[in-house]
Amino acid sequence: NAGVTQTPKFQVLKTGQSMTLQCAQDMNHEYMSWYRQDPGMGLRLIHYSVGAGITDQGEVPNGYNVSRSTTEDFPLRLLSAAPSQTSVYFCASSPNGGGYGYTFGSGTRLTVV
Amino acid sequence: SQELEQSPQSLIVQEGKNLTINCTSSKTLYGLYWYKQKYGEGLIFLMMLQKGGEEKSHEKITAKLDEKKQQSSLHITASQPSHAGIYLCGALPSLSNYGGSQGNLIFGKGTKLSVKP
Repeated sequence: NAGVTQTPKFQVLKTGQSMTLQCAQDMNHEYMSWYRQDPGMGLRLIHYSVGAGITDQGEVPNGYNVSRSTTEDFPLRLLSAAPSQTSVYFCASSPNGGGYGYTFGSGTRLTVV
Repeated sequence: SQELEQSPQSLIVQEGKNLTINCTSSKTLYGLYWYKQKYGEGLIFLMMLQKGGEEKSHEKITAKLDEKKQQSSLHITASQPSHAGIYLCGALPSLSNYGGSQGNLIFGKGTKLSVKP
């Protein structure tokens, strides 16, 4: 099994550009989440999904959109990139949320100039 | 909202020494997770604790959850350079989220561990 796969690993965007960070898992996990990691801030939840067709906002959702059309994929869209969105983004999945350890992807390092 | 405080923020130890990292919650924990992260990589799941007083070990790493379920410690015995990295504790925010409709983790800010050869 590949686990949780994130692409790309690195990305540089100009302010105002849009892009999609991809996340795919092959473990048939229902729960998927997006976190961003910033120095001194830890991991903060952006959006999450408890199953195909169901998404909800986390702690820091502004400027990001998500959709979950299949169990496997959970893309994160940046609508109009801003320097404040420079961060490392992690996707995670879990069989059913609480009670099981989450599996994390290796991250996407995004720089907005 | 629930917050997780980790201490210390950073730690430098000599190889072979023991060390402890703490994670304290403002509210009762209903699932405490420890992860390790190496620079530029994702998080690796270490252990999960659920019951008050629970203790788990894996190789030279031991994690404990206190009886009140508001504090956890991660203890490394005879540290090695391979133990270096960032250790993060994560928790489920409330009982209603445990195995329920949310189930998303909140995290502490991490403890950066360096081990000197």
